[in-house]
Amino acid sequence: GQSLEQPSEVTAVEGAIVQINCTYQTSGFYGLSWYQQHDGGAPTFLSYNALDGLEETGRFSSFLSRSDSYGYLLLQELQMKDSASYFCAVRSFMFSGGYNKLIFGAGTRLAVHP
Amino acid sequence: NAGVTQTPKFRVLKTGQSMTLLCAQDMNHEYMYWYRQDPGMGLRLIHYSVGEGTTAKGEVPDGYNVSRLKKQNFLLGLESAAPSQTSVYFCASSTAPDRVGNQPQHFGDGTRLSIL
Repeated sequence: GQSLEQPSEVTAVEGAIVQINCTYQTSGFYGLSWYQQHDGGAPTFLSYNALDGLEETGRFSSFLSRSDSYGYLLLQELQMKDSASYFCAVRSFMFSGGYNKLIFGAGTRLAVHP
Repeated sequence: NAGVTQTPKFRVLKTGQSMTLLCAQDMNHEYMYWYRQDPGMGLRLIHYSVGEGTTAKGEVPDGYNVSRLKKQNFLLGLESAAPSQTSVYFCASSTAPDRVGNQPQHFGDGTRLSIL
């Protein structure tokens, strides 16, 4: 089958660094995306990894290891506004038309405290 | 810049009623999607479209129909609403994938639908 696993909740303090892991099981893997969603809001795109390694965008970085079917989102210099849910999502050829579809994980709720 | 606009934002229905959710995008995107989001389950794809006049089933298509008569609009229909369809519905749009397969999806603000 096809599945993604990420922790349900993570707690951290302002200014700290937090890592949100995502492991996936799928065939025909194409890439791993991350989305952020504040309570009551719309998901917004953060990053995408197609190849192994680290992609950095400001305070956020995303990592992928295709051989380990594993990725993570790294948030540095945490701010209160980073409190949100974070979703990993994969594109695979698992199903017909799979290239055009994202399969989302259940999300990790990040709480940042003063 | 409107981006992706969903109407209505909230709706309460009785079991067996029908309704249509409207999604409109002004970014000239080819691809459009309908998701539902339930607590603890992330986003699940209902139907999607890769161009005007084309639609395809996602992970959870049962009980829903869609139409893409115009490139900028993607309609989601519930023919006979059931309590199990109580959820938050998100529409998204995107361009075709780039050379490395990146295809960021742009989401609307959601429609909160309750079925009694």
